[in-house]
Amino acid sequence: NAGVTQTPKFQVLKTGQSMTLQCAQDMNHEYMSWYRQDPGMGLRLIHYSVGAGITDQGEVPNGYNVSRSTTEDFPLRLLSAAPSQTSVYFCASSFQRSTNEKLFFGSGTQLSVL
Amino acid sequence: AQSVAQPEDQVNVAEGNPLTVKCTYSVSGNPYLFWYVQYPNRGLQFLLKYITGDNLVKGSYGFEAEFNKSQTSFHLKKPSALVSDSALYFCAAGREEKLIFGTGTRLQVFP
Repeated sequence: NAGVTQTPKFQVLKTGQSMTLQCAQDMNHEYMSWYRQDPGMGLRLIHYSVGAGITDQGEVPNGYNVSRSTTEDFPLRLLSAAPSQTSVYFCASSFQRSTNEKLFFGSGTQLSVL
Repeated sequence: AQSVAQPEDQVNVAEGNPLTVKCTYSVSGNPYLFWYVQYPNRGLQFLLKYITGDNLVKGSYGFEAEFNKSQTSFHLKKPSALVSDSALYFCAAGREEKLIFGTGTRLQVFP
């Protein structure tokens, strides 16, 4: 059972480039979310989804897009990378359509934007 | 604004001694409360949660947390620390779709 799988683990981008961070879970979880982790700021919610075809914004959505075409996958797209998006990104899922149960986290993607 | 505060960036404790990691929250309603732990180069792992009922909640790896409604606090505790408990600990509060995390407290347990 793989749990929550994130790819890539590391990525370096130049300012203005676009890319997609992949997230997949094999637990049939309804809820999926993306967080960014920055020093001294903890984890901040970017976008979340409570099921296939449903997405919504979190605390820091600007510069990011998401889609949820299947229950398993929840990719995060950076449209035009900026140095302020240098961070560690975590995908998380939960079997309920909410965070009321525990979240399962992926191992993270470390992104540097030059 | 709603927030979760972890007032200590780092907590140092000797192995075998009790430990406490502090958390206070300012979140409307009756939020669910959580503790997560992060080991180096890993994602967060669930430790325990509080929904309602008994103010002392027991979780994984011998950890427990004490809920205090009047002080809006949810402190993480362990009676006897292990070196392997050294990690980054996050408190979180919320309900339904959104969870607010604190900034994290690094726990260092010395042999």
